[in-house]
Amino acid sequence: QVQLVESGGDLVKPGGSLRLSCAASGFTFSDYYMTWVRQAPGKGLEWISCISSTGASKFYADSLKGRFTISRDNANNSLALQLNSLRAEDTALYYCARSRWGLLDLWGQGTLVTVSS
Amino acid sequence: EIVMTQSPGTLSVSPGERATLSCRASQSVGSNLAWYQQEPGQAPRLLIYGASKRATGVPARFSGSGSGTEFTLTISSLQSEDFAVYYCQQYDDRPPYTFGQGTKLEIK
Repeated sequence: QVQLVESGGDLVKPGGSLRLSCAASGFTFSDYYMTWVRQAPGKGLEWISCISSTGASKFYADSLKGRFTISRDNANNSLALQLNSLRAEDTALYYCARSRWGLLDLWGQGTLVTVSS
Repeated sequence: EIVMTQSPGTLSVSPGERATLSCRASQSVGSNLAWYQQEPGQAPRLLIYGASKRATGVPARFSGSGSGTEFTLTISSLQSEDFAVYYCQQYDDRPPYTFGQGTKLEIK
């Protein structure tokens, strides 16, 4: 079954860190770029980051100011997003998505990150 | 960073009628434009890519048009399952690949 399953979301205090994971199955993971997108409660979609198929190239939204780091493990078909220096405005549902030339043709169901004291 | 602007923010249409949603880019993105549908509580779903190509399994009542900076998503005869939020996304050249703020399509 072709799918993406995110995990790792949690309640974290401001200034804290969290590591999100995305497990891929049913397709050749190493053939695809992968992307993280987030959605704050009641808000629209925000493109966060993507990583090339080999992991050699990484791209980020300007707004993140170096706080997030994307990585992948092709041997284990997994994608990760390290979130540091978390703020209340990072509260969102975080989706991983498979990327073809930038468009997102397969999405997971998301994992919820809540930043609150 | 390319800014994507969708209009209107909310569109009220009756079932069976046509809906037209707009998306504008702050600079040319060629035909590198995708549309996504998001139903309540669900992940987004790819509808249109390359500005006008339907993704696998997308009904023919969905069509996309435009190039450069102006794009349109048309739903020819609205069904109950089409009432959702629609997002455009540009994927021209290098990231970041930005989204529009969304258009909510609601039942009139």
